[in-house]
Amino acid sequence: LAKTTQPISMDSYEGQEVNITCSHNNIATNDYITWYQRFPSQGPRFIIQGYKTKVTNEVASLFIPADRKSSTLSLPRVSLSDTAVYYCLVGDRTGANNLFFGTGTRLTVIP
Amino acid sequence: DADVTQTPRNRITKTGKRIMLECSQTKGHDRMYWYRQDPGLGLRLIYYSFDVKDINKGEISDGYSVSRQAQAKFSLSLESAIPNQTALYFCATSDLITDTQYFGPGTRLTVL
Repeated sequence: LAKTTQPISMDSYEGQEVNITCSHNNIATNDYITWYQRFPSQGPRFIIQGYKTKVTNEVASLFIPADRKSSTLSLPRVSLSDTAVYYCLVGDRTGANNLFFGTGTRLTVIP
Repeated sequence: DADVTQTPRNRITKTGKRIMLECSQTKGHDRMYWYRQDPGLGLRLIYYSFDVKDINKGEISDGYSVSRQAQAKFSLSLESAIPNQTALYFCATSDLITDTQYFGPGTRLTVL
């Protein structure tokens, strides 16, 4: 079962690029990697999903090495509104038993 | 996501009471989920349903039951609430293609 490990917290100054790494050593062949963002008192919100190499959208980039045992969410030029908890999720899209949220990484953006 | 609603948003109850948390969605998704959030433990899956006739236990189903009344509705029940069920509960839905989950705003439940 592909559980994930992330840093508990990170701090960054406004305008910097932030990279959050997630370890998933037992990732299976059919598993995808999905990142979510959660603000206080709200449900998680989808950020990005990938399978291998690099994925980029208007919000973030996701880097996945060849062995897929880790992934890195990259947030360019963070602002105060990016302060949130970020979750890394690994699953095969077909069965909820393979979906495990990590404890999340609490990102605090400092002015 | 406003397409996924949960009621109530906050509830305080006493040990032994029966509680029902309701979730409704307008996204037309077949898959629905119930999670609980505890400090330091992340989101843990309680139950999930892939269609109206399908109910499956998740990681922590003991003490909970669910009902999928329709494609759009998925309810979570605590038959006899206990204090360690105090948590933030989230409902979510997902589509069949990407399995991206869309979460409701959460229900904060306190069991005294």
